[in-house]
Amino acid sequence: QVQLHQRGPGLLKPSETLSLSCAVYGGSFSGYYWTWIRQTPGRGLEWIGEVNHSGGTNYNPSLKSRVTISVDTSKNQFSLKLSSVSAADTAMYYCARGSRWLHRYFDFWGQGTLLTVSS
Amino acid sequence: SSELTQDPAVSVALGQTVRITCQGDSLRSYYASWYQQKPGQAPVLVINGKNDRPSGIPDRFSASISGTTASLTITGTQAEDEADYYCNSRDSTGNYFVFGTGTKVTVL
Repeated sequence: QVQLHQRGPGLLKPSETLSLSCAVYGGSFSGYYWTWIRQTPGRGLEWIGEVNHSGGTNYNPSLKSRVTISVDTSKNQFSLKLSSVSAADTAMYYCARGSRWLHRYFDFWGQGTLLTVSS
Repeated sequence: SSELTQDPAVSVALGQTVRITCQGDSLRSYYASWYQQKPGQAPVLVINGKNDRPSGIPDRFSASISGTTASLTITGTQAEDEADYYCNSRDSTGNYFVFGTGTKVTVL
């Protein structure tokens, strides 16, 4: 059974950089799209971006200027960096596994990390 | 704003059938997947775009598509099906992914 375990801080000040990691246990690491998704009461679920095992990335245009997603295949782990956070970035952040298929679906999710941005 | 629109809420009597819809232009070209989310939990995939259910998902969940509207149907709804449901697909450009606005299902 595939499991995703997230790590990272839950509280940041405005202008700081969010750094989250997601470790993948079980299953193959290659061939999937390792994804970050966030959720707020106001904006619902928002796809942030994805990385494949080769390091190829794809980002949501609305966040692209501030987002970096990277992969460490030696550790079966991938990471999210979101720079210059503000209160608008307060959200629950999830990592997830995206299918290999054109019609992507997300079949395994991390437990979630609640980020609060406050001075 | 989301490019996939869902009704905010729907209610269904225990044991009856409920259909949840998701409307968006991208659905002419791309399949939708469906997720169930209960309070305080991460979303769970219930149907992928191939209309397959992951292991452990009951066969009372099914999906269909007509034009620009995708539907998730729960047949014989159980109390444990009370949750928020979200659709997901590519955006209209096909370059990234979007989620629907979500539907809260209440089981009466």
